[in-house]
Order: sequence, then C-alpha cells, then structure tokens
Amino acid sequence: DARVTQTPRHKVTEMGQEVTMRCQPILGHNTVFWYRQTMMQGLELLAYFRNRAPLDDSGMPKDRFSAEMPDATLATLKIQPSEPRDSAVYFCASGLGAGIGELFFGEGSRLTVL
Amino acid sequence: GESVGLHLPTLSVQEGDNSIINCAYSNSASDYFIWYKQESGKGPQFIIDIRSNMDKRQGQRVTVLLNKTVKHLSLQIAATQPGDSAVYFCAENTGGFKTIFGAGTRLFVKA
Repeated sequence: DARVTQTPRHKVTEMGQEVTMRCQPILGHNTVFWYRQTMMQGLELLAYFRNRAPLDDSGMPKDRFSAEMPDATLATLKIQPSEPRDSAVYFCASGLGAGIGELFFGEGSRLTVL
Repeated sequence: GESVGLHLPTLSVQEGDNSIINCAYSNSASDYFIWYKQESGKGPQFIIDIRSNMDKRQGQRVTVLLNKTVKHLSLQIAATQPGDSAVYFCAENTGGFKTIFGAGTRLFVKA
C-alpha cells in the first residue's frame, strides 16, 4: 500500500534549535509539496518540487526555512533557528505532476517550539 | 496522525440528509479544482476533482459543481453518514503544479 511517509511524527524543541523534517514520497511520484497547517492560516503552501527541482518556495520564510530533495526518495524541510510561531503541523504531499491529479498526503509532523 | 483544532465555518447536518459545502476560489485563471477531506489526526484525502471546462462532475455519493462566473465551487454529499464528519477543503490549481487550499469547512453529522 503506497503512501507518503513523514518523520518525525511529533517534535518538541526549544526556540533557536534546528529542526529537520523528512518526507518519503510515493515511489514514482515526481512532484512533492510541503504545506503548513495552523489554526489561523489553514493549509499554507510552503514549497514544491518537480523532478527534484524547486519550482516555487515563495510561501516559505527564506531567512530560516529551507527545503531540498537530496534524491527522489527524500524531501527535507529545515528550520534554523526555530521560533514559537513555527509551531504547526507540517504536511508533505506527492503527486504525479502534469498539473492535474490528486495529491497524496502524509500524516504530518507536529512541531512545537517552546 | 496529526491535525489542528481549526477555527472553521461549521456545517451540522442530520444523518441521511444531503450536505452542501461551498467554496469561493481566488484566481480566475485556475483551471483545475479538487475537494479534499481531512479526518481528525490525518492528512487531507482526495474526494473528487473537476476541470474548468466542466460545470458538474459526479462521483459516488458526491457531486462537485463549478461556477466560473462567480468563482464558486460546491461539494454535495448525498445521504450524509457519520463517517463523513471531517474538515473539507477545496483546492485550486493556479497554473503549472501549484495547488492552493481554501480555508476549509467542518462538517458535523448528527446521528
């Protein structure tokens, strides 16, 4: 049963610490998305990739967030330094691209920054 | 699984009734629209989609209507069941691969 896998599922850290979240997209999917979900903002698009190349990261705070795809089986979202306002659930999703078709979401990583 | 306690518009329906969830989208150039369902503790899941060259599409118990003139989408769920209780999001593809989500509506189904 193919699915998107995210780690860690939960992370509690202190302000100023580095946080790395990882995502394994579904094998064969060539688009990968990072979303952030908060009570106030709903699902915000942070960044997305096609064929491992970043297409748009305009939703991401550039000074502290970075997103990469070191290879086709791994996407990472890093926050350095983390701040309390980064507390949220971060979702990764993958799809087959071509501009249509559903996105398959992981179960999310809940981040709490104290 | 993960979720957040979203402050959302809420729709409460009686089991067996039909539900209609509405969504206004923002970009008149969007050409593809999707409805997702998010259950507590999980990521969003695809329900149904529609391209901009259509105004209606039906699935199993669900129908999506698209009104491009007023940039409005609706999701109709027939014979709503307790398992339909969730948060529902519309999403638009604004060009290329970019998928933007709406604010979401929480559906409560009363037994």
